[in-house]
Amino acid sequence: DIQMTQSPSTLSASIGDRVTITCRASQSVSTWLAWYQQKPGKAPKLLISKASTLEGGVPLRFSGSGSGTEFTLTISSLQPDDFATYYCQQYSSYSLTFGPGTKVDIK
Amino acid sequence: EVQMLESGGGLVQSGGSPRLSCVVSGVTFSSYVMNWVRQAPGRGLEWVSSISGRGDYTYYEDSVKGRFTISRDNSKNTLYLQMNGLRAEDTAIYYCAKGGCNGGSCFSDYWGQGIPVTVSS
Repeated sequence: DIQMTQSPSTLSASIGDRVTITCRASQSVSTWLAWYQQKPGKAPKLLISKASTLEGGVPLRFSGSGSGTEFTLTISSLQPDDFATYYCQQYSSYSLTFGPGTKVDIK
Repeated sequence: EVQMLESGGGLVQSGGSPRLSCVVSGVTFSSYVMNWVRQAPGRGLEWVSSISGRGDYTYYEDSVKGRFTISRDNSKNTLYLQMNGLRAEDTAIYYCAKGGCNGGSCFSDYWGQGIPVTVSS
């Protein structure tokens, strides 16, 4: 199975900060990589698919990049609604795998 | 608007066999891969199983292979997860999630509200 890692595991930031989360795959997943946002007690929400395609309705301050084994999710200017946990997920293989998550909290 | 209504689960004895259901509306159900994803208390997301649009291909995470069965009834726009031989480590919230593609492995673009399954010994 393809293993996914994320760094950092927790990130403390202030409103307006630029935030970058890194996701790494144990082998190439090309650009078959999605990012999700999850708030406590809620279902995950898809933000980005195919590494960099922003889903409809997702604010433009979110962006994704990368290919192969290294990917990043960037929030250009952190807003109060963005405090949440973020997960990457590869869908290159039929055995889907998620990263362990990155919690973004208030500094 | 895509809506997903999940049911089943609850408190189940170890070794029990509940069936989860997920009724999907607002989309041509048979056109999309469907996924089950779970989240144990305080833990991250874990993929459980996927099924192709026509139901002819199914895939499972290793720890549930041989115990869980995913299926779908496209005439009822309903996804199922039959869970057998439940163990304590199966305790989690189970999410029904619509695939964002019509075949192959896929991300999930719409998610249900989640069904808690608690396995008691």
